[in-house]
Amino acid sequence: GAGVSQSPSNKVTEKGKDVELRCDPISGHTALYWYRQSLGQGLEFLIYFQGNSAPDKSGLPSDRFSAERTGGSVSTLTIQRTQQEDSAVYLCASSRWGQNYEQYFGPGTRLTVT
Amino acid sequence: SQQGEEDPQALSIQEGENATMNCSYKTSINNLQWYRQNSGRGLVHLILIRSNEREKHSGRLRVTLDTSKKSSSLLITASRAADTASYFCATVNQAGTALIFGKGTTLSVSS
Repeated sequence: GAGVSQSPSNKVTEKGKDVELRCDPISGHTALYWYRQSLGQGLEFLIYFQGNSAPDKSGLPSDRFSAERTGGSVSTLTIQRTQQEDSAVYLCASSRWGQNYEQYFGPGTRLTVT
Repeated sequence: SQQGEEDPQALSIQEGENATMNCSYKTSINNLQWYRQNSGRGLVHLILIRSNEREKHSGRLRVTLDTSKKSSSLLITASRAADTASYFCATVNQAGTALIFGKGTTLSVSS
């Protein structure tokens, strides 16, 4: 079956612009996660969705970052007024039930802020 | 700070050799997972070991877990060039809401 998909795969934007990153999880997976990975670093947790609600958004680095999930499926991560330090690979993952089960990752969106 | 920390940071071996990577973590866990990442993109789940398990095998992979030492190891036997990747261990965060990943071990297998 189809895996987790993300779009766009690459995004170059100018500092100060807003960007939207999209994630399509595996059908039927109730849990969805966003992570960020900077060059040579591990994964930094951003936000967790269970269904359409976000029980844990503690990883969002500032109020410029927001995310939503609709229909228990597609999620959008929005970064407003992008800064150069936002440049990273943004990874989305889904899981059938939650964090104690394996997560399936998308290919990521590489964001470059110039 | 990171829950999981992998050691070594980088490992270079020849094809056919075994590769061992270690992971240490800080708090009690229900399970520990290992993931592989190629070329800085999406991660692939390799294996999950539960806290009541001491060893688990999957193909050429062998994972051990020592909860008394809060450590795990991933052994790749008879390595291949295709095993070249970064390997991460992951445990559930304190809030029980997400996985926390270490910075990973970068494995290079040369033919």
